[in-house]
Amino acid sequence: GNSVTQMEGPVTLSEEAFLTINCTYTATGYPSLFWYVQYPGEGLQLLLKATKADDKGSNKGFEATYRKETTSFHLEKGSVQVSDSAVYFCALFVTSGSRLTFGEGTQLTVNP
Amino acid sequence: NAGVTQTPKFQVLKTGQSMTLQCAQDMNHEYMSWYRQDPGMGLRLIHYSVGAGITDQGEVPNGYNVSRSTTEDFPLRLLSAAPSQTSVYFCASSYSRESYEQYFGPGTRLTVT
Repeated sequence: GNSVTQMEGPVTLSEEAFLTINCTYTATGYPSLFWYVQYPGEGLQLLLKATKADDKGSNKGFEATYRKETTSFHLEKGSVQVSDSAVYFCALFVTSGSRLTFGEGTQLTVNP
Repeated sequence: NAGVTQTPKFQVLKTGQSMTLQCAQDMNHEYMSWYRQDPGMGLRLIHYSVGAGITDQGEVPNGYNVSRSTTEDFPLRLLSAAPSQTSVYFCASSYSRESYEQYFGPGTRLTVT
């Protein structure tokens, strides 16, 4: 079956620090990969996506590269801000299954 | 454009009570789904619908019913609430079942005592 594993949280950083949140996956078929973000009290929003191997998704200073050889899609940001404090979910989608499979989520807190 | 709306935002139930969580979208999306979010478990799919009159089970359907009489609405019914159903519930919609970009509502926080 399909599954997504994220690094355990929570993660606490100081403003302007470098962020990495690890994500690995297993899938039957050829998945598309996503990062969703959930700000406090809100629903999930799509942050970035990659639909094929070696694609790099990017948005709001965040980046993630689809690595088929290591089945990974790690999220990075060079300089985090307090406003980046949120829960981040890695997810995959396989067309044949027609559903998103989510990781456990990683809570990020950025202190000023 | 309201997107995906959910009501209520918060609810407390006693064991054995029933209730309906409401979800509506105004984007004319075919595909709608319900997830529950529990600490350390991410989001798990409860039920989904690929169009009016068509519903199917997800990963964790037991204890929940759904119906889809219109394109816009997709209510989730708890028939006899149990403490294990304490969770945050999210409704989501997308253009079609093949569309990976889902739009999420703000969630309903449910506590069952």
